[in-house]
Amino acid sequence: GQQVMQIPQYQHVQEGEDFTTYCNSSTTLSNIQWYKQRPGGHPVFLIQLVKSGEVKKQKRLTFQFGEAKKNSSLHITATQTTDVGTYFCAGRGSARQLTFGSGTQLTVLP
Amino acid sequence: KAGVTQTPRYLIKTRGQQVTLSCSPISGHRSVSWYQQTPGQGLQFLFEYFSETQRNKGNFPGRFSGRQFSNSRSEMNVSTLELGDSALYLCASSLTVSEGTQYFGPGTRLTVL
Repeated sequence: GQQVMQIPQYQHVQEGEDFTTYCNSSTTLSNIQWYKQRPGGHPVFLIQLVKSGEVKKQKRLTFQFGEAKKNSSLHITATQTTDVGTYFCAGRGSARQLTFGSGTQLTVLP
Repeated sequence: KAGVTQTPRYLIKTRGQQVTLSCSPISGHRSVSWYQQTPGQGLQFLFEYFSETQRNKGNFPGRFSGRQFSNSRSEMNVSTLELGDSALYLCASSLTVSEGTQYFGPGTRLTVL
């Protein structure tokens, strides 16, 4: 079945440093979504990418979808303590169900 | 607009018992998906319901079942509970099946003793 791998599993950064998390799917995706889960909270939708090579920005966050629609990345510029949480990618493939990556837990040190 | 609600928020059961969890989607949303979240396995897809029909199913044993009512509310049931069923069970609603944004509820924390 479809698998979505996400790295790194953990990332500690100093406030103000940049952060990137990467996702790779075993199959071509129709779209990929990104979610953020704060400690003790539930996943909250950030963005959806649909087109090959698509790049979207939300303030300090930049999301990319690979040309082959099998990989994606989330980059945060100049992290802040409010960025703390676990970031999940979720890919939708031919089976139409959403497969989540294992998540990257981001810690921002003040 | 009210968000996704799940009841109960916390539950403690013993092995062999069964449990029913409830989810009320955002008003107007007709698709409800269920996920199991554990520290070791991450977010695992259980099933998706749309218009009272199961449209997608993940790789979970038959002890895990669900249903959806005509008002789009959904329940999931786990029978013959095992220790490994301890997890956060998340429900997510979306406008249509297998498309678009999933809006998650706060989850039900199930502990099996």
